[in-house]
This record gives sequence, structure tokens and C-alpha cells, in this order.
Amino acid sequence: ETGVTQSPTHLIKTRGQQVTLRCSSQSGHNTVSWYQQALGQGPQFIFQYYREEENGRGNFPPRFSGLQFPNYSSELNVNALELDDSALYLCASSLSGYGYTFGSGTRLTVV
Amino acid sequence: GIQVEQSPPDLILQEGANSTLRCNFSDSVNNLQWFHQNPWGQLINLFYIPSGTKQNGRLSATTVATERYSLLYISSSQTTDSGVYFCAPPSGGSYIPTFGRGTSLIVHP
Repeated sequence: ETGVTQSPTHLIKTRGQQVTLRCSSQSGHNTVSWYQQALGQGPQFIFQYYREEENGRGNFPPRFSGLQFPNYSSELNVNALELDDSALYLCASSLSGYGYTFGSGTRLTVV
Repeated sequence: GIQVEQSPPDLILQEGANSTLRCNFSDSVNNLQWFHQNPWGQLINLFYIPSGTKQNGRLSATTVATERYSLLYISSSQTTDSGVYFCAPPSGGSYIPTFGRGTSLIVHP
């Protein structure tokens, strides 16, 4: 059974650029959630995808968008990067909302 | 959305000591998870515990949903227990975990 894998592990971008982060869900899971974790804070929910449809969104602007593919993997896209977007981005998968398993995260630095 | 408060915010222990971490939440919940985030950022699921008590080795957890709190017990702490502990009840009738600021634990040898 494979766990949740995220790529890349680290990334440095310039303010105003766009970034795509990727997540492969755990085998058998059909739901993917994305979280943003700033230094010293708990993870903040960005959005969740279930069967390729967004079915929940936190308090994040529209420049944060996502996709889920038929194999349940997912992408998080952030446009017009701001310095405050620097954070650890975590992906979690679950089977219809039961028992979330997290990946190791992508650490994004915006300069 | 649901509010999550964890206490204490910081905890320093000597190896071998026991501790209790508390999580209060503002709404009734249908599930709750405890996570350990290691110093490298990996969130590890410790317990899925909507109610009752569960034990896994040196760790155990109790959730009293009617009183809106959950407790995580760590016995005979080890240095590898260091990190941040989060409880994550779901928000707004969903199953989506909502995190507070966690309890930061340091275990000294």
C-alpha cells in the first residue's frame, strides 16, 4: 500500500509567478484535501476534491485553484504568488472523508 | 467554523515522564483525529477517535464528544515523541479536519 506522495519537496519562486504542486493519493483513497501551514501555525484548509469535483473550500482567494484527476491524484495551483504564500503545503487523502493520511509536504518559499 | 483549542501550547519533558494533552472544540463532532507532526513536517495519524478510548502502545486517547473535548496520553515519553501534536475535529458537519495551533512537545534525554 503506497502512502501519499507530494512533489516537489522544496520550491523557490519569485513574487508574481505561478506554481503547481502535485499530490498522489494513497491507494484506495478517492478524496484529496490541501492545506497550507505557515511557520508556527496549524494547517489551514484550502480545498477538498472528491471524484474530480471540488466539494469544500476554506478561506482562500480564487488564485488558489486545484484539480483532481481520474486516478485521484491532484494538483494545487497558485497564481500571482505573494510573499505570504511562503509555507508548507500539505496534501491529505482519504476514503470518502474517513481517516485522513498526509503527505510529507512541499515547502514553498516566495522571494 | 469549529474552534479548536489545545493545551498546553508548549510542553517540555524529561525522557520517561508521562503527559496529558487536551483538546477542546466548540461544536459537536462526528469524528476526530490526533496527529503528530515530526520536526521534518510529516503529519502522522495517531488516532481516529470520534468517541471513547483507544490505546496504541504508549499512547492512548479519549474523546468525550458530549462534553466537546479529547485527551491524548503519552506515557514513558521518548525523545522521538518530540514534535507538535494536533487534534483535528471536522468543521461544519463535514469530515474535513480542522486544526488548532497544536501542542509543541520537547522531550529531553
